[in-house]
Amino acid sequence: QSVLTQPPSVSAAPGQKVTISCSGSSSNIGNNYVSWYQQLPGTAPKFLIYDNNKRPSGIPDRFSGSKSGTSATLGITGLQTGDEANYYCGTWDSSLSVGVFGGGTKLTVL
Amino acid sequence: EVQLVESGGGLVKPGGSLRLSCAASGFTFSTYSMNWVRQAPGKGLEWVSSISRSSDYTHYADSVKGRFTISRDNAKNSLYLQMNSLRAEDTAVYYCVSSPYNGVSGYWGQGSLVTVSS
Repeated sequence: QSVLTQPPSVSAAPGQKVTISCSGSSSNIGNNYVSWYQQLPGTAPKFLIYDNNKRPSGIPDRFSGSKSGTSATLGITGLQTGDEANYYCGTWDSSLSVGVFGGGTKLTVL
Repeated sequence: EVQLVESGGGLVKPGGSLRLSCAASGFTFSTYSMNWVRQAPGKGLEWVSSISRSSDYTHYADSVKGRFTISRDNAKNSLYLQMNSLRAEDTAVYYCVSSPYNGVSGYWGQGSLVTVSS
């Protein structure tokens, strides 16, 4: 069971918008930066969002991140079939002194 | 271009040892904390270990504490993971990951497969 809670799956039609939630606690999300990772089928994960809401170079602005209290959200607009992937949230847990991830959310673009 | 290239994975028997390496290039390695993250077949991501920029601090997941040792050589731009007393449940792809720092994103390597089986 993961320390951070994500929905196992989400789906939406091409061109639509989807959000993926990540719920934690004051010792992790509440007091540390959150990153989001995209893992396309058969590939290594990559940073999609870091420091709660920053995008690495090359990541389109269709992807956005936000944080409020002990929860974080990844938003994806203008969905494309190429966005089908597993998405993970991650952060540091200051009480446990360990890194923590969500269980991952599989995005299906119908 | 930032690159993190893992090596050293392979097939090992239960109870055996393996040392993973990660060669970094394209960024100032010594200014970034580094991590090992693993992914068992068909499963999600699991954080394994972290090391601070100058090796002052190391942290481990409970599942590997006492068996795995993380280290780095900033002069060689390299990260290591010494894995001892390996178990079947350690079978996974192991990724080298740099932490975001000072407003700059982190990066993932391509991974190295470790299989623990008799």
